Amino acid sequence: QSALTQPPSASGSPGQSVAISCTGTSGDIGSSDYVSWYQQYPGNAPKLMIFETSKRPSGVHARFSGSKSGNTASLTVSGLQAEDEADYYCSSYAGDSDSVVFGGGTKLTVL
Amino acid sequence: EVQLAESGGRWVQPGGSLRLSCVASGFTFRTYWMTWVRLAPGKGPEWVANIREDGRKVYHAASVEGRFTISRDNAKNSLYLQMDSLRVEDTAVYYCARDSPGYGAYSSWGHGTLVTVSS
Repeated sequence: QSALTQPPSASGSPGQSVAISCTGTSGDIGSSDYVSWYQQYPGNAPKLMIFETSKRPSGVHARFSGSKSGNTASLTVSGLQAEDEADYYCSSYAGDSDSVVFGGGTKLTVL
Repeated sequence: EVQLAESGGRWVQPGGSLRLSCVASGFTFRTYWMTWVRLAPGKGPEWVANIREDGRKVYHAASVEGRFTISRDNAKNSLYLQMDSLRVEDTAVYYCARDSPGYGAYSSWGHGTLVTVSS
């Protein structure tokens, strides 16, 4: 059982926008500025897409954006493209345990 | 170019021990927090442990506390994970990662090393 809760699946048609949620507690997401999102293709290491809740690393397209409200963080993918089909994981610093916790992952399907 | 190269993974029986290593290059190793993350078959990432730049602060996940120990040698640009009392559920690909561009954000990963625990 993962510390952060994500929906197991999400989908959208090319060009549409989709939001993936990540729910934690006041001990992690709710009190942390360190929320990250990763994209992972099977057999590969995860790729950082968002850090510090809403910042994009160099090279990540602006179609990917992050936000947070209370104990829930969200990743929004705009203008869906076929190559966005992958697994997405959230993570957060958890101050109550001095650790980093991950979500269980969301499989994004581009219809 | 940032490079992280893990080694040391292999098959081991439950209760056994392993020491994983990660050699870093392409950046000033001694100025970054470093982390071990594992990916079990068919599962998402799990944070295992991290260590401060000077090695004087370490944190371990509850699932490995008391069994695994993270350490580093800045003179050798190396990160280590001593794994004792291994369990079947520790089976995973273990990655070392650099905490950058922010705490708990990993933009640089190694290729991983496979640890298989079974009888």
